[in-house]
Amino acid sequence: QKEVEQNSGPLSVPEGAIASLNCTYSDRGSQSFFWYRQYSGKSPELIMFIYSNGDKEDGRFTAQLNKASQYVSLLIRDSQPSDSATYLCAGINSGYALNFGKGTSLLVTP
Amino acid sequence: GAVVSQHPSWVICKSGTSVKIECRSLDFQATTMFWYRQFPKQSLMLMATSNEGSKATYEQGVEKDKFLINHASLTLSTLTVTSAHPEDSSFYICSARGARGLYGYTFGSGTRLTVV
Repeated sequence: QKEVEQNSGPLSVPEGAIASLNCTYSDRGSQSFFWYRQYSGKSPELIMFIYSNGDKEDGRFTAQLNKASQYVSLLIRDSQPSDSATYLCAGINSGYALNFGKGTSLLVTP
Repeated sequence: GAVVSQHPSWVICKSGTSVKIECRSLDFQATTMFWYRQFPKQSLMLMATSNEGSKATYEQGVEKDKFLINHASLTLSTLTVTSAHPEDSSFYICSARGARGLYGYTFGSGTRLTVV
């Protein structure tokens, strides 16, 4: 089973700080990775995806991919209480389905 | 664009009955549909993958006779939980993918199933 690993947290950051979420993966053949945000009882919402080594920025979010280290991260700048949610990292498996990590719970405190 | 509608959003049923969940892609053709199950405080677990017009491929440990998946058209997939039991109570979420990965992976809003 190809694994996507995340620290379950909770990760607590003060409002306005940078939240750093990390993910490692075991399938060296994985090419694309996705970050989703999930509020309790709701379906996941796509934040961004990344498939090239390096950084990809979208507003307050920056995804980073390091294929040599098999590491993906998500930075959230100027964190807001509304960012409090579970963040899911996912890779694509051989059947083109998303293979999710267990998620990291983020709490942004006012 | 890329909207997936999932119904019902919640359902309560008696043990031993069957429940059907629908997943529709509203503005694109979903060549592949994925069905996930999520238990409280756990991540999404892939149950099965279905391609339009083909039989679904089930993940190891998922009973194909219990979780019937039909993907008869490019816009509709259904999951039927047959002879439901309390342990089937969960959050079921579908995801649709267009041809060649167009529109990425769009998720339905999920169905909360409670079996009593």
